[in-house]
Amino acid sequence: DSGVTQTPKHLITATGQRVTLRCSPRSGDLSVYWYQQSLDQGLQFLIHYYNGEERAKGNILERFSAQQFPDLHSELNLSSLELGDSALYFCASSATPGLATDTQYFGPGTRLTVL
Amino acid sequence: AQSVTQPDIHITVSEGASLELRCNYSYGATPYLFWYVQSPGQGLQLLLKYFSGDTLVQGIKGFEAEFKRSQSSFNLRKPSVHWSDAAEYFCAVGLTSGGSYIPTFGRGTSLIVHP
Repeated sequence: DSGVTQTPKHLITATGQRVTLRCSPRSGDLSVYWYQQSLDQGLQFLIHYYNGEERAKGNILERFSAQQFPDLHSELNLSSLELGDSALYFCASSATPGLATDTQYFGPGTRLTVL
Repeated sequence: AQSVTQPDIHITVSEGASLELRCNYSYGATPYLFWYVQSPGQGLQLLLKYFSGDTLVQGIKGFEAEFKRSQSSFNLRKPSVHWSDAAEYFCAVGLTSGGSYIPTFGRGTSLIVHP
């Protein structure tokens, strides 16, 4: 158990809908990272927040957005969903604002299925 | 552009046999390199990482990896595989993005262990 929690575990929705994925980092960690894992693209970095502020953006679509709240939990919002958005979405947390020596701890993921 | 290549999609070994998973990277400077393991239905777990110094790195669960600059490789090894090692293994290189070091992952190698 990494100490990172993600809810829900599974999500099934329809095209065009909007969903929110939630991540609670390990106690004391200030950084949250979001990743998408799909068969087509593999594991890709989406976005990184540190202590409520966006630090880095990866291959995140404009239909996707995220935020980190004062209690440090984070939400990833996916809107206008398409079939191709079906994937596993992971969050990871770490203690630092993204240092190279940092260790990221991954949650168990949310499996999103868009029908 | 920087990239990580894991040439083997699947590797099958017998329990007790030795293991080597290959990873090649393309990066202009000395990279930060990682190996992660993903068991079925779970998130990623860091096995080991290399930043500098001794090119042979020891990790958890009896794994080690060797950084070879001349070959741009960071291969993962284990002298004797256990059935519980069956999982997906990801090599990653840490790249800077907006001041953060974000891992860029290879496509993964699926390890199958025969009894």
